[in-house]
Amino acid sequence: NAGVTQTPKFRVLKTGQSMTLLCAQDMNHEYMYWYRQDPGMGLRLIHYSVGEGTTAKGEVPDGYNVSRLKKQNFLLGLESAAPSQTSVYFCASSYSFFGTDSYEQYFGPGTRLTVT
Amino acid sequence: GESVGLHLPTLSVQEGDNSIINCAYSNSASDYFIWYKQESGKGPQFIIDIRSNMDKRQGQRVTVLLNKTVKHLSLQIAATQPGDSAVYFCAENRSYNTDKLIFGTGTRLQVFP
Repeated sequence: NAGVTQTPKFRVLKTGQSMTLLCAQDMNHEYMYWYRQDPGMGLRLIHYSVGEGTTAKGEVPDGYNVSRLKKQNFLLGLESAAPSQTSVYFCASSYSFFGTDSYEQYFGPGTRLTVT
Repeated sequence: GESVGLHLPTLSVQEGDNSIINCAYSNSASDYFIWYKQESGKGPQFIIDIRSNMDKRQGQRVTVLLNKTVKHLSLQIAATQPGDSAVYFCAENRSYNTDKLIFGTGTRLQVFP
């Protein structure tokens, strides 16, 4: 199993450009998440999904959109990139949700995005 | 305000010794906690979790202790190995089935021979 994969690994955007980050998992997990990681701030949840066709806002959803058209894929979109969105983005997936007995969250390798 | 923090930003440990990484949380309503390991250039890796109805939970070479009285969480790594070198951070969740997992900023563990 490849686990959780993310594409691309690196990207540089100019302010106002758009892009989509792709996350894929081959573990048949129901739950998928998008986080951003900034120095000195820890991981922050952007959006998450509890199943195919469903999405929900996390802690910092503004400026991002997501879609979960297929169970194995979770897309993160930036419609009009801003320098404040420069960050490392991590996708994760889990079989169950926080706090349940079988909860374990698997992360992808990350995408480093720079917005100039 | 809400915060999950770590007492020591960097911890240096000799190979073979035990490591203890600490985490303080501010909200007494938090009922679920997770420890993650993040190696350089990689995504976080789930290590172990614990619910607030437990004081201790053990995994392979790792033990998490929860002291709700002083709102303190610790991760103990037995017989620390070079492969344990990474940033470790804790996270808390306020209640089951919510989306708000608050992450700490991390402690770097350095293992020297």
